[in-house]
Amino acid sequence: DAGVIQSPRHEVTEMGQEVTLRCKPISGHDYLFWYRQTMMRGLELLIYFNNNVPIDDSGMPEDRFSAKMPNASFSTLKIQPSEPRDSAVYFCASAGVGTGELFFGEGSRLTVL
Amino acid sequence: QQQVKQSPQSLIVQKGGISIINCAYENTAFDYFPWYQQFPGKGPALLIAIRPDVSEKKEGRFTISFNKSAKQFSLHIMDSQPGDSATYFCAAISNFGNEKLTFGTGTRLTIIP
Repeated sequence: DAGVIQSPRHEVTEMGQEVTLRCKPISGHDYLFWYRQTMMRGLELLIYFNNNVPIDDSGMPEDRFSAKMPNASFSTLKIQPSEPRDSAVYFCASAGVGTGELFFGEGSRLTVL
Repeated sequence: QQQVKQSPQSLIVQKGGISIINCAYENTAFDYFPWYQQFPGKGPALLIAIRPDVSEKKEGRFTISFNKSAKQFSLHIMDSQPGDSATYFCAAISNFGNEKLTFGTGTRLTIIP
């Protein structure tokens, strides 16, 4: 398995633009997580899914952020409109049930100018 | 509310020395405590983990010490090597099986020759 695949790896955009980050989890994993990493706040859980259903989105900072998981092999995190304070590395991770281990992708580094 | 407190924020250790990173938690429902290692430009990856029914777990040069009564756990890296230079995150899961991790704030470890 190729692991968790995220795209794009780097995104530079201007304030107000829509940003879509994509994730392909490891096949067979039931859980998918979106994290945001910054120097100031560390790793923050934004939202997670179990069997494609959102379970906890309490970490989503505001309505500008939305996430979907239309099927077991694909998820998106969308920011609309983007703001400079959204600049961060966004990680997707997946896990199998009862393993206690998250497998992270290599991240999408977002810069909003 | 930060549920897992990690210290120090950064640590410099000489090659061959012992690196020690500490974490404390508040939620007594936590029942699984993993440590993740992150290299620059990569996502975090599971390093070692412990359940609260044991006080110590060792894997090679890496050891977790766990003190349930004090609600503290720590990572010890023996004979630290330059290749160990990375950011380390402690984490905790409550109700093992739901895979939702609460991360500490991270420790940037640098091993100098």
